[in-house]
Amino acid sequence: NAGVTQTPKFRILKIGQSMTLQCTQDMNHNYMYWYRQDPGMGLKLIYYSVGAGITDKGEVPNGYNVSRSTTEDFPLRLELAAPSQTSVYFCASSYEGRGLTEAFFGQGTRLTVV
Amino acid sequence: KQEVTQIPAALSVPEGENLVLNCSFTDSAIYNLQWFRQDPGKGLTSLLLIQSSQREQTSGRLNASLDKSSGRSTLYIAASQPGDSATYLCAVSPGANSKLTFGKGITLSVRP
Repeated sequence: NAGVTQTPKFRILKIGQSMTLQCTQDMNHNYMYWYRQDPGMGLKLIYYSVGAGITDKGEVPNGYNVSRSTTEDFPLRLELAAPSQTSVYFCASSYEGRGLTEAFFGQGTRLTVV
Repeated sequence: KQEVTQIPAALSVPEGENLVLNCSFTDSAIYNLQWFRQDPGKGLTSLLLIQSSQREQTSGRLNASLDKSSGRSTLYIAASQPGDSATYLCAVSPGANSKLTFGKGITLSVRP
């Protein structure tokens, strides 16, 4: 099993450009999440999804969009990149059922907006 | 709003020491608490998950305890090794999901 896979690993964007961060998981998890991690800070939740077709905002959703058309994939879209979006982005998934809620994380995407 | 605190931010110990990493949270109404390890430039690896009804969990040289009423958790690492050097993050969830609130982490350095 590959677990949670994120692409790309690194990206440099210019202000105003757009991009999609890809995330896929092969564990048949129903819940998926996007977090961002800024230097010296804990991770903050951007968006999450409880299943295909269902998404909801987390703590810091402004400037981002998500979709969940399949169980496996949960892409994160940045429409107009801003320097404040320079961060490391982590995708995670978990299986919610019978109280099993352990989260598994991808390796991260390091994004720099210049 | 839930807040998770991990103090100190950094810790350096000689190899072989037993050590305790602390985590505190402000809202005791949590569903579970999870400890993660993060190596530089890498993702998060889950170490231990404690359900709110549990008091502790063990995995190898690691033992995590939870005192929900006082809003505290500790991660005990026995006989520390240089390979344990990493950042350790504590996170709590309010319900049966992984909408986690994270602490800022403790960066551990184990000196040979």
